[in-house]
Amino acid sequence: RKEVEQDPGPFNVPEGATVAFNCTYSNSASQSFFWYRQDCRKEPKLLMSVYSSGNEDGRFTAQLNRASQYISLLIRDSKLSDSATYLCVVNLLSPYSTDSWGKLQFGAGTQVVVTP
Amino acid sequence: EAQVTQNPRYLITVTGKKLTVTCSQNMNHEYMSWYRQDPGLGLRQIYYSMNVEVTDKGDVPEGYKVSRKEKRNFPLILESPSPNQTSLYFCASSLGQGVGNTEAFFGQGTRLTVV
Repeated sequence: RKEVEQDPGPFNVPEGATVAFNCTYSNSASQSFFWYRQDCRKEPKLLMSVYSSGNEDGRFTAQLNRASQYISLLIRDSKLSDSATYLCVVNLLSPYSTDSWGKLQFGAGTQVVVTP
Repeated sequence: EAQVTQNPRYLITVTGKKLTVTCSQNMNHEYMSWYRQDPGLGLRQIYYSMNVEVTDKGDVPEGYKVSRKEKRNFPLILESPSPNQTSLYFCASSLGQGVGNTEAFFGQGTRLTVV
């Protein structure tokens, strides 16, 4: 079983609509969580961290459900430029641990296609 | 400009011919790492380094070597490449140091084909 699992999609979303998708992780000891964005086989870039209380960054909202071991990403008012693959990233250690760097686990990504 | 630079961007080589993919970062980051990305499998970590002369295996280290002689450089070496190492490779760096900042900055990727 993969450490981090994502629905590969694609999620086809009309411009202006809302889309949401989840990512599940297998290790209950996971400490920190992130969403990265990757455009068409280019390098991944950090979209946002995911905090226990949930957090927003403009049109993007991330949630964490530790009991069910999943994180979610919601995109409101989708733009054509939101078309990308969204990677879920889980860290087994606390971001304040000096060894946290070596434990990042990446999901395979969820593809979102926003259509005019 | 703060960046992670990988070279080459594209490489086609033959089985068994040793090659090196270079990675350099200008952000004075402690942590560096190599990943490979294959369809449906996501990014898998090959090796990582938490400081100069400190390296450790990731999830898929077989067939690869790394070195960290200087803070800014972290080359990936394939001593005897095989076709199953055909992949998209990313180098990444992070400030790390347990300060709560583990954002990874990635290079632009190296598309390697081994025939």
